[in-house]
Formats: sequence, C-alpha cells, structure tokens
Amino acid sequence: EPEVTQTPSHQVTQMGQEVILRCVPISNHLYFYWYRQILGQKVEFLVSFYNNEISEKSEIFDDQFSVERPDGSNFTLKIRSTKLEDSAMYFCASSEGPDYGYTFGSGTRLTVV
Amino acid sequence: AQSVAQPEDQVNVAEGNPLTVKCTYSVSGNPYLFWYVQYPNRGLQFLLKYITGDNLVKGSYGFEAEFNKSQTSFHLKKPSALVSDSALYFCAVKRGNTGKLIFGQGTTLQVKP
Repeated sequence: EPEVTQTPSHQVTQMGQEVILRCVPISNHLYFYWYRQILGQKVEFLVSFYNNEISEKSEIFDDQFSVERPDGSNFTLKIRSTKLEDSAMYFCASSEGPDYGYTFGSGTRLTVV
Repeated sequence: AQSVAQPEDQVNVAEGNPLTVKCTYSVSGNPYLFWYVQYPNRGLQFLLKYITGDNLVKGSYGFEAEFNKSQTSFHLKKPSALVSDSALYFCAVKRGNTGKLIFGQGTTLQVKP
C-alpha cells in the first residue's frame, strides 16, 4: 500500500536553529498538508498546499514557517528559528482531493533544546 | 467555528465485547467526518470516512461508524473487540471539501484479554 514517508523520524535541534522536515507524499496525490501534535495535546492543522501554493494556513503558521515542493516528489516544512514550544510531532499528509481521506506519514519528532 | 469532541479520554472493554468510541462535532455546512487510529510511535492511520450517502460507514479492521445528523455524532463501533485494537483513536471533521481537518483530543482504547 502506498505510504507517505517522512524523514528524519527524530530531530533534536538547538533553539534558534533552522530545521527542515521532509516528506515524500504519495505520487498521484495533489494535496499536501502539515499537522503537528504537541505531546499530550490535539493534532493541529498547520498548512495545506495545492498547485504549488499555500491554500490555507492556521494562526500557528507564522512567518517562522514555510513550505516548499522543491521537486516533483518532496514536500518540506522549514522552521526558520526554532523555539522551545516548537517541540512536537510533525505529521505530513497527502490526498487525491478534497473528497478523499488523507494518508499521514509516521511523523517527525522535533525536540528543541 | 468547527470543533470535535471526544468525551472519553479512555475506553476499556474486554476482548470479544462490542466497543463504542464517541465523537460529536460542530461544523457549519455539510460535514466530512473521519476516524484515524494511532499506534505507539506510529503515524495516523485512516480507518473510515463519511462524506455522503448511507449513514453507516464501514472501514478497516472491522470498524464502522454511524453518522447521526440530528445528534451531530459520528461514533466509532466494532461488534467484537480485539486486544490488538488497543490504540489512540481520533475523530476529525472538515467543512465540506475544504482542506482543514479539525481533530478531537483522542480516546485511548484499552482492550483487555
């Protein structure tokens, strides 16, 4: 069964450093998403991406965050200057379209120290 | 605003007994409803969805859910629980074909032998 692949599975970074979280969505999917889950809390929407542009973003997704689809297969989330409160599990997801379920990756656990 | 409530933090059932994990939602317009399961250190796995049609939807691993518009509920059910069903279950909703999924806080299902 096709999978969404995320790398790395765990990343530790120092506060103020930039991090890039990588995702390879399912190849025929057109819609891409990032969500995050702070330990013990809900899964929260960050951003959706379609046709090479952001289609929706949450208030969490401020100027420190950016997304990119640099080639035909990767979808990245960059956090420009990490803060302690950015520590969370970050999930990438993709879907064929708005009427379909989302396929989530296994997540990247980001720890900011 | 969209919201999802899962009123139980934990549900305990004996193996072989039926299980129900509750979910209620609030959304303007037509809801798209989803259930996801999360095993330890894994991503979110899609179980089933309701978009339109029959109120009873069947999904993976023998799970089903019933959409009840008047009660704004989408409870997850299974006739006979397995120990391997023990995991964290998330209900999610989005408004129509918009991209943003709103998750409930999750319910831990514990199935005892």
